[in-house]
Amino acid sequence: DTGVSQDPRHKITKRGQNVTFRCDPISEHNRLYWYRQTLGQGPEFLTYFQNEAQLEKSRLLSDRFSAERPKGSFSTLEIQRTEQGDSAMYLCASSLWAGGFYNEQFFGPGTRLTVL
Amino acid sequence: AQTVTQSQPEMSVQEAETVTLSCTYDTSESDYYLFWYKQPPSRQMILVIRQEAYKQQNATENRFSVNFQKAAKSFSLKISDSQLGDAAMYFCAYRDGRADGLTFGKGTHLIIQP
Repeated sequence: DTGVSQDPRHKITKRGQNVTFRCDPISEHNRLYWYRQTLGQGPEFLTYFQNEAQLEKSRLLSDRFSAERPKGSFSTLEIQRTEQGDSAMYLCASSLWAGGFYNEQFFGPGTRLTVL
Repeated sequence: AQTVTQSQPEMSVQEAETVTLSCTYDTSESDYYLFWYKQPPSRQMILVIRQEAYKQQNATENRFSVNFQKAAKSFSLKISDSQLGDAAMYFCAYRDGRADGLTFGKGTHLIIQP
């Protein structure tokens, strides 16, 4: 399978614990995006990378959220001190940006987080 | 801030008939893209169709077409000859040149009745 993959697919944690999700983009894609999707809502953009550079992080929901893409390949999204309101589906997408305006984003299956 | 509004939480259509999903958006930008994404149950989101704001011609992809009304900031999706496999959540999304992230609407749940 050469699509975007995410791990784990499901995560249950207790309030106050830290969690980390991983996203592996399509291999030649240089841009990687994170979104959060809560029940009954559309995805909400959080952050994105071009290679290892994080180009937008002002949309991260709080300072408890952080993301990395250390070698420009896979990325991790960490949530510290989880709260029940963090329960959601976390989606990753990737794209090949070659200059210009348009680059199609391909989405992964998501990681569903449940905070008890 | 840009906003995307989908006013139909749920739509139902008979198999083989035509259905139109509505979307409106708000922006002050002149250059942008609009998208319709499909999210089947427990499956990942896939792009159905896109429209560049500078193009007057409405985009079409097989049974899927859009009605893009730039002045009215309206972007509806028409699905012709509906099939059972079209059943899914459909999200309207917007993107301009200021940031690469997409802004999504709340979605429309499309039900196909056999």
